[in-house]
Amino acid sequence: DTAVSQTPKYLVTQMGNDKSIKCEQNLGHDTMYWYKQDSKKFLKIMFSYNNKELIINETVPNRFSPKSPDKAHLNLHINSLELGDSAVYFCASSQDLPGSNQPQHFGDGTRLSIL
Amino acid sequence: AQSVAQPEDQVNVAEGNPLTVKCTYSVSGNPYLFWYVQYPNRGLQFLLKYITGDNLVKGSYGFEAEFNKSQTSFHLKKPSALVSDSALYFCAVRDLTGGGNKLTFGTGTQLKVEL
Repeated sequence: DTAVSQTPKYLVTQMGNDKSIKCEQNLGHDTMYWYKQDSKKFLKIMFSYNNKELIINETVPNRFSPKSPDKAHLNLHINSLELGDSAVYFCASSQDLPGSNQPQHFGDGTRLSIL
Repeated sequence: AQSVAQPEDQVNVAEGNPLTVKCTYSVSGNPYLFWYVQYPNRGLQFLLKYITGDNLVKGSYGFEAEFNKSQTSFHLKKPSALVSDSALYFCAVRDLTGGGNKLTFGTGTQLKVEL
């Protein structure tokens, strides 16, 4: 069973379009994340949700809007796609018990290519 | 802000030889440090973490890491490398600033193990 699953795995689309990436985790975790990995493999946090509440919102353009319908799902919607949005987007989850420092579990990524 | 640095973009080692992948950190307060591995077209997999206690931390697949407070380092090691260890390795620090729980990653080190 896949612990953190993302769909689609590949997404190729035109500049200016709107697209969504879905993420689901079956680990019972209460915190979910979106990371962006650029062409140089550099990883940076975008958003984090804890029990459906947004707790981290890094300096991401407001064209990116995360939505968490329940604590097992965190979707990412992107409006007006730009060339610079081409990257691999990773979803992750963790159980954030106080002081536990549990590791984050990652999905296999969504490779977004903007034409 | 918390940060980690990985000074080597690539490390080459012969199979059977010991390997070291370097990481140094800069944190305010206690460091919570992690190593992750990324295989091609896959998400990150957790290897090991240092929270407190013994400076030598053992993890998955025979990897270990040595926490050195005086040198602010957390180098990843393995006594005998395998070709299958070839992958991209990330050091990360847990960053609790801003009320959130996020991982700040290093730039990654590509490990190549050759026969």
